[in-house]
Amino acid sequence: DTAVSQTPKYLVTQMGNDKSIKCEQNLGHDTMYWYKQDSKKFLKIMFSYNNKELIINETVPNRFSPKSPDKAHLNLHINSLELGDSAVYFCASSQASFPSVDSYNEQFFGPGTRLTVL
Amino acid sequence: AQKVTQAQTEISVVEKEDVTLDCVYETRDTTYYLFWYKQPPSGELVFLIRRNSFDEQNEISGRYSWNFQKSTSSFNFTITASQVVDSAVYFCALSEGQTGANNLFFGTGTRLTVIP
Repeated sequence: DTAVSQTPKYLVTQMGNDKSIKCEQNLGHDTMYWYKQDSKKFLKIMFSYNNKELIINETVPNRFSPKSPDKAHLNLHINSLELGDSAVYFCASSQASFPSVDSYNEQFFGPGTRLTVL
Repeated sequence: AQKVTQAQTEISVVEKEDVTLDCVYETRDTTYYLFWYKQPPSGELVFLIRRNSFDEQNEISGRYSWNFQKSTSSFNFTITASQVVDSAVYFCALSEGQTGANNLFFGTGTRLTVIP
């Protein structure tokens, strides 16, 4: 069983289009995340959602919007795609909180979605 | 400011050599976590190790070992007797505090190439 899954794995689209990437986790986790990995392999947090609330929003353009229909899903919608949006997008999930320093809850990553904007 | 610095962009070694990947971090939190992830050519992120800020014991797992030193804010990763399958990009990462959102701050990665 796949713990964190993303669809599609590859997405090729034209500049200006609107697209979505789906993420689902079957781990019962409370928090989900989106990361972006650019062409230089730099990985950066974009969003995290905890119980349907956006709790981190790094400086990403408002063309990007995470949507969580339920606790198991966090989809990433991108409007008016630009060339610079081409990257690999990783979804991850973890439990929301941890009671002690020894019980940090791991982030489990999805396989990534490679987005290419032409 | 960059929270995690991996100064080595690329390293090449010949198979069976030992190699150390450096990681220096910066945080004001007293509770934090450090990680290493491996990203092979296939692209997935593979978790290797987690360390919390209160545990400075070094760890060995097979050919892998990690040296955590709070005094120098470093969390270095050594591969002993490297193999071609070790070729990958390795990321060091930091998670701060005990909050509900444990977002990871990644370093820029070190690309390791093991030459047969």
